[in-house]
Amino acid sequence: QVQLQQSGPGLVKPSQTLSLTCAISGDSVSGSSAAWNWIRWSPSRGLEWLGRTYYRSKRNNDYAVSVKSRITINSDTSKNQFSLQLNSVTPEDTAVYYCARMGIVEANRHFDCWGQGTLVTVSS
Amino acid sequence: EIVLTQSPGTLSLSPGESGTLSCRASQSVNSDYFAWYQQKPGQAPRLLIYGASSRATGIPDRFSGSGSGTDFSLTITGLEPEDSAVYYCQQYGSSPLCSFGQGTKLEIK
Repeated sequence: QVQLQQSGPGLVKPSQTLSLTCAISGDSVSGSSAAWNWIRWSPSRGLEWLGRTYYRSKRNNDYAVSVKSRITINSDTSKNQFSLQLNSVTPEDTAVYYCARMGIVEANRHFDCWGQGTLVTVSS
Repeated sequence: EIVLTQSPGTLSLSPGESGTLSCRASQSVNSDYFAWYQQKPGQAPRLLIYGASSRATGIPDRFSGSGSGTDFSLTITGLEPEDSAVYYCQQYGSSPLCSFGQGTKLEIK
C-alpha cells in the first residue's frame, strides 16, 4: 500500500521560499509508472495542480503556468522522496498543500494516493 | 485552456435520496483521463471515479460516473449522512496539463 508523508513548516514569511517534502513508502520516486505531484487547495482558488516530477528515460518535470517562474520540484532517490520549493511567496500562496501520486501508464491519469496535507500560511 | 465548471454549487438532499452532480468542460476532454474526488473537511481528496465511469478501489456501487466529450456526471444513490462532502471533477491532458472543477458541496440533511 502506497503512503505519502508530508513534512515542512506551516508558516513562511512573504518573499521567502516555501519548502515541503513528501516521503514515499510502497512505491519508488524513480519508478517509471507514476508521477509525483504537488497540489494545493485554498478557499479562493479551490484545488490547483502545481506540478509534477516523473522518470521516463530521464527525470522530467512539468509545472503549472501560474507558478512556473517560482516553482521547483526535486526528487531524492536515496530517501525515496520528492520536494516542493515555491519562491517569492505572497499571502495568496496561503493554502493547504498536498503531495499526490498519479499513474502514467495505460489509462491512469488520476490521483490515487494523497499525502495528509500541510497548511502553509504566508505571513510576517 | 480547458475550464471545468461544476453544477450545482451546493446540493441539499435527504438520506436515501439520489443526487446527480454535473461537470462541464469548455472543450472536449479524453474520458479515459477524467476523474471525480470526494473531499471532507480536514481531509485530503479521495479518488471516487476514474476513466469517467470506473470506481476506485473500495468505493461502493452507490457511486457511479458517466459522460464523455464535454459533459460528465457523478450520481450517488441511497445517500447517507457520510456522503456530505465537496466533490471535484478533474481532467488531464489538455492545457492546462491538469485541472479541477471548482467543486460541488453536497449536504445531507
